[in-house]
Amino acid sequence: DGGITQSPKYLFRKEGQNVTLSCEQNLNHDAMYWYRQDPGQGLRLIYYSQIVNDFQKGDIAEGYSVSREKKESFPLTVTSAQKNPTAFYLCASSWGQDNSPLHFGNGTRLTVT
Amino acid sequence: GENVEQHPSTLSVQEGDSAVIKCTYSDSASNYFPWYKQELGKRPQLIIDIRSNVGEKKDQRIAVTLNKTAKHFSLHITETQPEDSAVYFCAASIVDTGRRALTFGSGTRLQVQP
Repeated sequence: DGGITQSPKYLFRKEGQNVTLSCEQNLNHDAMYWYRQDPGQGLRLIYYSQIVNDFQKGDIAEGYSVSREKKESFPLTVTSAQKNPTAFYLCASSWGQDNSPLHFGNGTRLTVT
Repeated sequence: GENVEQHPSTLSVQEGDSAVIKCTYSDSASNYFPWYKQELGKRPQLIIDIRSNVGEKKDQRIAVTLNKTAKHFSLHITETQPEDSAVYFCAASIVDTGRRALTFGSGTRLQVQP
């Protein structure tokens, strides 16, 4: 099902390289989020954006950067400063209003060696 | 910031039995508590949520209870079926403020044995 698309599904990079994960949504949602999922640690918030050209750090923002130049796009860059970048990354969007549920993408599994 | 703890990490039940997953939160200002279900290889999806002005909410076989005083909330699944097997995440947030991003628990892997 569509709505929010993450690409690619699998991504491999060498240590020391920056890598950008794509997230696009056609739901006209105002808010977008990036979460990192590791076994036994649930979903941890990296960055979120409630409006175009504005974003806030989440709980584990160090080593990551984002941009929100368009409403439908919220790319995440994993920089070489991120110490443990290998993980499953989930992008989500919502209306950003009270009780608005998150719509998740299918995720990108990043492996850094 | 908010901290959400979830227990147990794994739960195995027989088909037809009930399952209960518990979460505690740290920020007394949190007022919105959703539950997400993630089936194997799929994206998390909202299954039920509750606001702090309500103590209990039901939707067919699932229910959520909230104890604001103790700062904990629970997911109850009755008459479990094999398709209930998944990872369940609780979450908390404060709506009506600048931060509307959810803080998630660590997840519970529920396995329903046929």
